Amino acid sequence: SQQGEEDPQALSIQEGENATMNCSYKTSINNLQWYRQNSGRGLVHLILIRSNEREKHSGRLRVTLDTSKKSSSLLITASRAADTASYFCATDAGGYQKVTFGTGTKLQVIP
Amino acid sequence: SAVISQKPSRDICQRGTSLTIQCQVDSQVTMMFWYRQQPGQSLTLIATANQGSEATYESGFVIDKFPISRPNLTFSTLTVSNMSPEDSSIYLCSVVDRSSYEQYFGPGTRLTVT
Repeated sequence: SQQGEEDPQALSIQEGENATMNCSYKTSINNLQWYRQNSGRGLVHLILIRSNEREKHSGRLRVTLDTSKKSSSLLITASRAADTASYFCATDAGGYQKVTFGTGTKLQVIP
Repeated sequence: SAVISQKPSRDICQRGTSLTIQCQVDSQVTMMFWYRQQPGQSLTLIATANQGSEATYESGFVIDKFPISRPNLTFSTLTVSNMSPEDSSIYLCSVVDRSSYEQYFGPGTRLTVT
């Protein structure tokens, strides 16, 4: 079963606009990670945010975490056509360090 | 970050046969994870493979169907046994960076069962 749900399921924006994806999860976590996947290929690790962090930046990416609401958001600023991909959140809740994935958001950036 | 390779990258197999997928990591890791991604779906954890012990399987996955070997700290194999079209998926192995807790994935093996 999926630990998290993401919304929207699909998002279509124009190049240059910002894209925001949300992830909600069910149980307490240690870390939350965001990944990108292009056309069914391997997963690219984007960013990890720890449960005691509220916000993290990496280039054009901004991730927030609200543990009281059990939710996280990923903001991609000034989107590019190359950002077209599926984005997944994944939570690490247990002692074995395994992560459980959300349902994913499919982002399309139109040139 | 860890560099992970998988073989084969893709395969087309006949129903009833088995396929063994190899995963190689460029550093020693305690745990390796195997995931499945069915078409259009998210990733689901199959099992956790520890070196020197039996793999731990998630609910819905059994050793007879997905036997795993972990002969050393840099290598693991996953076998998909007695395949059916429902096994058509991308199979990915994964490791966790001990210092950062970031989890990295191999490029995946795209399996099609006809």
